[in-house]
This record gives sequence, structure tokens and C-alpha cells, in this order.
Amino acid sequence: AQKVTQAQTEISVVEKEDVTLDCVYETRDTTYYLFWYKQPPSGELVFLIRRNSFDEQNEISGRYSWNFQKSTSSFNFTITASQVVDSAVYFCALSERRGNTPLVFGKGTRLSVIA
Amino acid sequence: NAGVMQNPRHLVRRRGQEARLRCSPMKGHSHVYWYRQLPEEGLKFMVYLQKENIIDESGMPKERFSAEFPKEGPSILRIQQVVRGDSAAYFCASSPFTAGGPNEQFFGPGTRLTVL
Repeated sequence: AQKVTQAQTEISVVEKEDVTLDCVYETRDTTYYLFWYKQPPSGELVFLIRRNSFDEQNEISGRYSWNFQKSTSSFNFTITASQVVDSAVYFCALSERRGNTPLVFGKGTRLSVIA
Repeated sequence: NAGVMQNPRHLVRRRGQEARLRCSPMKGHSHVYWYRQLPEEGLKFMVYLQKENIIDESGMPKERFSAEFPKEGPSILRIQQVVRGDSAAYFCASSPFTAGGPNEQFFGPGTRLTVL
């Protein structure tokens, strides 16, 4: 069975600090996809990134970076120089590769960035 | 190209009433997924549909809940005889068909159901 664990329920940082959100997953599939979504206070879900299990290259997009480590089944997300607008709930999700398949979400990490 | 649309955005029902939630996928998308987010929880998969077919309903409660995606019109998630525990945010996502693995699922803004 697939499972996604986000052990950090809430994190609070001061603006301009770096912060890392942890994500650990479980799957028996050798091919799978990992996702991060952001849910701001307005409630919608904003897609951030998708990685497949064969691509372990770290990715950077502006102040965001992702560290995928297959050996530890982790897909961590780092925000550099955090800003108040980063305050949101962040969800990590997993999907196995069988065509179009549903996502399995973690419970989310609530990030509060204080000015 | 409009995104995934859901309506209503907020829905209030009394116990025992019916709730109907609508989802219009993005243009060209033939796959729809419904997820439920209980307060302070992550999203949980409910049902996956293609036009006129239910592909996977393993996450949907067996009683009172049903979903459809007709040939014409939006996908509908129906909850009969709502109870307080049905209060949640219901998200719809759509994706195009792909043979090569899961697509990015585009999420709608959600419908927040409150049962009084």
C-alpha cells in the first residue's frame, strides 16, 4: 500500500529564514511519481512540482528546491529566504504509474512565516 | 483556457438533506477525480471517473455517496441524507489521458460543505 508521511504538522519561521519540509513515502512500485502542492489560506491547491522515480536530480525553482533521495524514500522541499506569502499548508503526494491514477496525500505541513 | 471549475464554492445543508457538487474539468480533459479534505487533514481520494464510466470508487463510502460524469455536462458528486461528519472541502481534479504515467492533476477551487 502507498503511504505518505509528513511528520511536521506545523512549522513557524521568521521571514528570510530557510525552511525544509520533510516528506517520506512508502510504495512497492518501482515506478512512481511524487508531487508537492501548496494550499494558501484561500483554500485552493497550487501545483508546485512533479518528479518521477527515475529522476533523482535535485531541482531548483527560484527560492524553492527539492531533494529526492530514493535510498531514504524522501522528497524534501526547501524554501530559501522565506517570505510571509509562503505561509500555507504544503502537501506531499504520491502516485503509482498505471496510467491515470489517484494521488495519495500526506496530512500536510502548515508553514507560518512571521514578519 | 479556463481551469477546473467547481460550484458551488460554499454549500450549507441541514442534516438529512441532499448535497450536489459540480465539477467542470478543463477543456480537453476526460478524467475527473474527487477528493475530500476533512478539517486539518490531507486530501483523501474518493472516486475516479472518465466520461460515462466510474474507473475507481474505492475511496467512496458505500452508502449515501454517488458520482457520475455524463457524456455532456459536469461531473456530479451527490451526497444523500447528509450528516455532520460530511462537512469537509471537496476537491475535484482533472487530467487528460496519458499512456505514459500519471499526469499533473489540475485541481479546482473546492466546494466547502457545511452540514448544520
